Amino acid sequence: DIQMTQSPSFLPASVGDRINFTCRTSHTISNYVNWFQQQPGKAPKLLVYAASRLHSGVPSRFSGSGFGTDFTLTISSLQPEDFATYYCQQSFSTPWTFGQGTKVEV
Amino acid sequence: EVQLLDSGGGLVQPGGSLRLSCAASGFTFNNYVMTWVRQAPGKGLEWVSTISDSGGYTFYAESVKGRFTISRDNSKSTLFLQMNSLKDEDTAIYFCARGGPNYYGSGSPQGDFDCWGQGTLVTVSS
Repeated sequence: DIQMTQSPSFLPASVGDRINFTCRTSHTISNYVNWFQQQPGKAPKLLVYAASRLHSGVPSRFSGSGFGTDFTLTISSLQPEDFATYYCQQSFSTPWTFGQGTKVEV
Repeated sequence: EVQLLDSGGGLVQPGGSLRLSCAASGFTFNNYVMTWVRQAPGKGLEWVSTISDSGGYTFYAESVKGRFTISRDNSKSTLFLQMNSLKDEDTAIYFCARGGPNYYGSGSPQGDFDCWGQGTLVTVSS
């Protein structure tokens, strides 16, 4: 199975901060990485697919990059509604796997 | 509006069974691969099972293989997950999601999991 390692697990932040989430995979997976945001008690929402493509309706302050084994999700200027948990996920091969998540908190 | 509505969760004893449903609307259901993803209390996301648009192939996580069966009724735009021999560790919120691995196990260039149900809670406990 492909392991997805996210860092850090918790990220203290303030409104206006530039935030980088890192995801490292145990095998090279081209650009088969998606990023999700999950608010407490809600279903996840797709932010970025194919490592760098912004899903429809997602604000432009979100961006993704990376290829192979190292991937990054960036929020250019953190907004109050962005305090949530973020997950990376690989869609290269089954079983599809998720990272353990990074929680952005005040 | 694209919508997925999960239902069927509840409290069940270890060894028991439960059938989850996911009713789809707002899109052509039989054009899409569909997936179940779960989340144990306070934990991360875990892919559980996927079924192709026609039902011709399925995938399962090792943790549920042989106990869970995914199916779909395209005439009713509904996805199902039959869960048998339930264990304590199956306790989770179960989400249906649009998209998932193709026959070769990889994702769509247009993205996957772009729409999710609200989740239904399954609690396995005596």
